[in-house]
Amino acid sequence: DAEITQSPRHKITETGRQVTLACHQTWNHNNMFWYRQDLGHGLRLIHYSYGVQDTNKGEVSDGYSVSRSNTEDLPLTLESAASSQTSVYFCASSKDPGNTIYFGEGSWLTVV
Amino acid sequence: QKEVEQNSGPLSVPEGAIASLNCTYSDRVSQSFFWYRQYSGKSPELIMSIYSNGDKEDGRFTAQLNKASQYVSLLIRDSQPSDSATYLCAVTNTDKLIFGTGTRLQVFP
Repeated sequence: DAEITQSPRHKITETGRQVTLACHQTWNHNNMFWYRQDLGHGLRLIHYSYGVQDTNKGEVSDGYSVSRSNTEDLPLTLESAASSQTSVYFCASSKDPGNTIYFGEGSWLTVV
Repeated sequence: QKEVEQNSGPLSVPEGAIASLNCTYSDRVSQSFFWYRQYSGKSPELIMSIYSNGDKEDGRFTAQLNKASQYVSLLIRDSQPSDSATYLCAVTNTDKLIFGTGTRLQVFP
């Protein structure tokens, strides 16, 4: 079955370190998204991509970057992790822009 | 004003009752509307999508859309304890989905 997988599922890192969260989907969806979810804020869009070599900033992109070298993968990099980036991160994908998106299982990141 | 607003709850209903979850949105040009369910510690999963005014039914779930009032709701009939979760409303903003903060539903036996 087609799916979307994230790794690692849980990670603890230190302030200032670079961290990369992986996202891989097998639906062959062009559109991929990264959200973070925090109490009181809900799901907030970090970055998104509509195809290979395309990346766009969402509402909370500062301190994060993505790259899209193929259809299947959209890794999220925290350049220099900060405690404010402790959160649950969800990768998602969709077939068409503005249409149903499907989520991965989430990556729990703690920055100490 | 938030783009998508939901009452955070918790909304508590007895087993077998109808649960009514509401959502308002600010962008009048939004065209697509979604309800997701999220269990604690899990990822959101799609329950229903609705694109035109009126009601859309799927099993025990009914989504209602009123674009003039910028209002979308989700009714859950015959609520079960297994329906206890957070329900997220999502609305398109041009080509992206914007989520509300969710309403926590508790169904007690």
